[in-house]
Amino acid sequence: AQTVTQSQPEMSVQEAETVTLSCTYDTSESDYYLFWYKQPPSRQMILVIRQEAYKQQNATENRFSVNFQKAAKSFSLKISDSQLGDAAMYFCAYRSLFQGAQKLVFGQGTRLTINP
Amino acid sequence: NAGVTQTPKFQVLKTGQSMTLQCAQDMNHNSMYWYRQDPGMGLRLIYYSASEGTTDKGEVPNGYNVSRLNKREFSLRLESAAPSQTSVYFCASSEVNSAGELFFGEGSRLTVL
Repeated sequence: AQTVTQSQPEMSVQEAETVTLSCTYDTSESDYYLFWYKQPPSRQMILVIRQEAYKQQNATENRFSVNFQKAAKSFSLKISDSQLGDAAMYFCAYRSLFQGAQKLVFGQGTRLTINP
Repeated sequence: NAGVTQTPKFQVLKTGQSMTLQCAQDMNHNSMYWYRQDPGMGLRLIYYSASEGTTDKGEVPNGYNVSRLNKREFSLRLESAAPSQTSVYFCASSEVNSAGELFFGEGSRLTVL
């Protein structure tokens, strides 16, 4: 079974600075998807960014980018120019490509605090 | 745009009581899921339904039952609630064989005393 590990329970960053959240995963599969979800205090789960394992290019979405290291099974999220609205729990998640339903396996989460 | 709707948003139960969490989606998705979120443990899959008429156990199914009532609705039932089931519950939906994104409801906070 696949596992996802986020080793940083909490992180903090100054507003306008850059922060990187870490995620590692364990799988024997060669093709899969990886995700970062954001959960603000409202509890809503919001997709931040998605990476297909067969794509070597790292995904980017505006101020959010990933560093995908397939051999190391590492998938970190970089947030540039941090804003107060980025404060939230962030979850890394894995999805197998070979299952009919998109079952996501989540990491434990990292709580990100933005200091003004 | 309703998306995924869960009811109730909050519930307090006594040990041994039963209740059903309701979930409905209006995106015509085939697959639906129930997750629970606990501090330090992320979200864990309880049950899922790949398509109408099918249900399967996830990582933590004990103490729960589900019903896929139709394509839109997927309910989660606690027959005899226990304090260990105190959690935040999320329903989600997705399209099969899409790029993998799940769409989540707003969550239901359940407290079992």
